[in-house]
Amino acid sequence: GAVVSQHPSRVICKSGTSVKIECRSLDFQATTMFWYRQFPKQSLMLMATSNEGSKATYEQGVEKDKFLINHASLTLSTLTVTSAHPEDSSFYICSARDRSGVTDTQYFGPGTRLTVL
Amino acid sequence: QQQVKQSPQSLIVQKGGISIINCAYENTAFDYFPWYQQFPGKGPALLIAIRPDVSEKKEGRFTISFNKSAKQFSLHIMDSQPGDSATYFCAASISGNTPLVFGKGTRLSVIA
Repeated sequence: GAVVSQHPSRVICKSGTSVKIECRSLDFQATTMFWYRQFPKQSLMLMATSNEGSKATYEQGVEKDKFLINHASLTLSTLTVTSAHPEDSSFYICSARDRSGVTDTQYFGPGTRLTVL
Repeated sequence: QQQVKQSPQSLIVQKGGISIINCAYENTAFDYFPWYQQFPGKGPALLIAIRPDVSEKKEGRFTISFNKSAKQFSLHIMDSQPGDSATYFCAASISGNTPLVFGKGTRLSVIA
């Protein structure tokens, strides 16, 4: 199946710093990528939809100035958490939609564990 | 408003038994229904998916049953194994660029 990678897998940073997370579709082109946030024992919460070459669409309640999303190519989207604070600590997961098939299947990355001290 | 309701929240099944997880949706425009499996600390992995033009789809030990009139779909795991212990999410979307709407998840424990 299609592979989506994320980097880094785990990051610990100090409060006030910015953290960039990369999401790559390795063997397919993804015109659309999605960013999710997941708290322990909870479901995935959609943060934003990222379309290649255009501005991301953020879900209600998600601060676009805090969570900067760039989708510069068909295989790469980045999420930057600016001025991170402890409440931003979470598991961030990206997914990419493979439009080449019939089902518009969405493949998920392995996730990035962010801990803000 | 929760668009996809998933039950049960947790499930314990004996090894070799059948695990059944149910989901109900409200938006009749949904036309794609995948199931994902997630292990702790990992991203969700696509298990199996179905569209409303079929009532059942089987892949190995995993089967989706779909009831369009009732707006319900379920995942059946036959011959459940301890390695199947994970959290399972149902989801739904409308074809095109709309994002998936997820259920709240079911934590499955398969005990020997």
